[in-house]
Amino acid sequence: KAGVTQTPRYLIKTRGQQVTLSCSPISGHRSVSWYQQTPGQGLQFLFEYFSETQRNKGNFPGRFSGRQFSNSRSEMNVSTLELGDSALYLCASSFKGFNSPLHFGNGTRLTVT
Amino acid sequence: AQTVTQSQPEMSVQEAETVTLSCTYDTSESDYYLFWYKQPPSRQMILVIRQEAYKQQNATENRFSVNFQKAAKSFSLKISDSQLGDAAMYFCAYRRANSGGIGSNYKLTFGKGTLLTVNP
Repeated sequence: KAGVTQTPRYLIKTRGQQVTLSCSPISGHRSVSWYQQTPGQGLQFLFEYFSETQRNKGNFPGRFSGRQFSNSRSEMNVSTLELGDSALYLCASSFKGFNSPLHFGNGTRLTVT
Repeated sequence: AQTVTQSQPEMSVQEAETVTLSCTYDTSESDYYLFWYKQPPSRQMILVIRQEAYKQQNATENRFSVNFQKAAKSFSLKISDSQLGDAAMYFCAYRRANSGGIGSNYKLTFGKGTLLTVNP
C-alpha cells in the first residue's frame, strides 16, 4: 500500500507570492492533517480535514488555508508569503477512529526568499 | 493548553547500549494518548510507540519501551541494544482522547525533539 505522498518535495518562492502544496493520503484514509516544522517553533498543527470538512485549526493567520477533496486528497495554500513561512510542511493521514495512528509523508520543504 | 517538554536537545549512545529519552507533559485531561515519533534525515515522521493514558501497563515494541508515570506526567522512551539506524530526531507527542467525534481529534502537540546520535 502506498504511503502518504506530498508534492512537491522542494519549493522556492519569493516573498509576496502564494503557494499550494498537495497531499495524497494512504488509500482508505479519510482524515488529513497538516503540520509546519521550523527549527525555532518545532512542529505546529495547522489544520485537520475529515470528509472534506475542516474539523480543527491551529493558531495560524488566515493566509494559511486548506481544503480536502472527495477522494480525500488535500491541498494547503499560503498566500502573501513571508520569510517566516519557510519551513517543512508535513501532511499526515489517518483511518477513521479515535485510536488510529497518524501516518506522515516526507514533507514539502518551502523556502521563501 | 497542553504542552510537551523534552529537556534533552541532544543525546548520544554507543551501539548496542541502552539510552533513555525524557518527556514531560502538562494537561488537565484524564484520558489521552502519548506517542514517540522518530524523524530520520529522510524527514518522514515514523511512529515508534504509543501509550493510552488509561492503561497502566507500559507499552513495548521490540527494543523500544516506555516508562509512563501518569501522576508525574512523565513519558520516557527507552531504546535497548541501540543500532546505527536508530539515529534520528525523536519527538514526544500528546493527543487528547476525545474532542468531538470521529475525525476531529487528530491534533498532535509535539515536544521540541531530542537528536539521538548512535556511535559505532
